[in-house]
Amino acid sequence: DAGVIQSPRHEVTEMGQEVTLRCKPISGHNSLFWYRQTMMRGLELLIYFNNNVPIDDSGMPEDRFSAKMPNASFSTLKIQPSEPRDSAVYFCASSLGSNEKLFFGSGTQLSVL
Amino acid sequence: AQSVTQPDIHITVSEGASLELRCNYSYGATPYLFWYVQSPGQGLQLLLKYFSGDTLVQGIKGFEAEFKRSQSSFNLRKPSVHWSDAAEYFCAVGPPGDKIIFGKGTRLHILP
Repeated sequence: DAGVIQSPRHEVTEMGQEVTLRCKPISGHNSLFWYRQTMMRGLELLIYFNNNVPIDDSGMPEDRFSAKMPNASFSTLKIQPSEPRDSAVYFCASSLGSNEKLFFGSGTQLSVL
Repeated sequence: AQSVTQPDIHITVSEGASLELRCNYSYGATPYLFWYVQSPGQGLQLLLKYFSGDTLVQGIKGFEAEFKRSQSSFNLRKPSVHWSDAAEYFCAVGPPGDKIIFGKGTRLHILP
């Protein structure tokens, strides 16, 4: 298995632009998580899905952030409009069940100028 | 609500020395407990986990952790560190049926 695949690996954009991050979980996993990592706040859970359904989005910082999981093999995290304080590494992770072992992607390094 | 505290932001040890990274959690019952490691530019990798049973858990790369209910702790240990162990280590807690929450992490530095 190729593991959790995230794209792009790096994204540089200007303030106000729309940013879309993509994730392909491991086949057969039914839970998917989006995390954001910064030096100041550490690793924060933004949202997680079970069986493609959003279960807890309390970590989504603002309405500018939205996430979808249209099917079991694909999820997106969108920021519109982006702001410099959104600069961070965004990780996607998947697992068999919501508190089983997490498998992380390599992350997307987002820089908003 | 559950929380995880890793009191040490940075730890420096000499190669070959023993290591202990501290983790304390807050939760009303026994949660699922995890330690993950993150190498630079990479995602997190699971080292070990505790769900129930024996309170001393063995993991990969020679790591172990001990669950102490009375202290609400789940400290990570290794008897002899290698230069390749330099990384950031995250403790995490996941109450049954709920999401996993991570601590802020401890960055481990190894002196040659």
